[in-house]
Amino acid sequence: QVQLVESGGGLVKPGGSLRLSCAASGFTFSDYYMSWIRQAPGKGLEWVSYISSSSSYTNYADSVKGRFTISRDNAKNSLYLQMNSLRAEDTAVYYCARVSPEVDYWGQGTLVTVSS
Amino acid sequence: QPVLTQSSSASASLGSSVKLTCTLSSGHSSYIIAWHQQQPGKAPRYLMKLEGSGSYNKGSGVPDRFSGSSSGADRYLTISNLQSEDEADYYCETWDSNNWVFGGGTKLTVL
Repeated sequence: QVQLVESGGGLVKPGGSLRLSCAASGFTFSDYYMSWIRQAPGKGLEWVSYISSSSSYTNYADSVKGRFTISRDNAKNSLYLQMNSLRAEDTAVYYCARVSPEVDYWGQGTLVTVSS
Repeated sequence: QPVLTQSSSASASLGSSVKLTCTLSSGHSSYIIAWHQQQPGKAPRYLMKLEGSGSYNKGSGVPDRFSGSSSGADRYLTISNLQSEDEADYYCETWDSNNWVFGGGTKLTVL
């Protein structure tokens, strides 16, 4: 069965950096686009970024463009999100998701808290 | 870029049916959408992909009580024989030019 397991969340100060990881299993990872989606406390879902199956194409929400970088390692069945220059408004649960092209599987999420 | 509009809340009685609406913005009425369910304290779960024709494909393990339909720019999620576990937030999603968009979500209360 498809499994997506995020890790790397935690408490970070404003201006700091964090790297999220997502370990995928149960499907041929290299065949699928992947995305990161976040949810601020008590709020709705916000798409953050996507990456194509071979890493040729990426895109970002305007709110994170220039600060976040998505990447993947198909040999390790892993997806990453490097988050720099973090702000309080980046506080959220971050979900890893498989895209085909709709989101058809979600991870359980990892909480990122940006606070001094 | 498309915008998805959902009512903020809905309610219905145990055992009854409810129809949730997601409306696509002008110029995007033909877009395919997906519906997701998020129970309290849990990650979202994919329910189905829904086309403008009304044709839909459900995700693995989604009960038969969940169905989809379409009319113009409106996409619907109908839940029949409501159960207590259907109390959740429901989000619609669409995509365009390598951007993905979510509606604001509808909070469904089962009375």
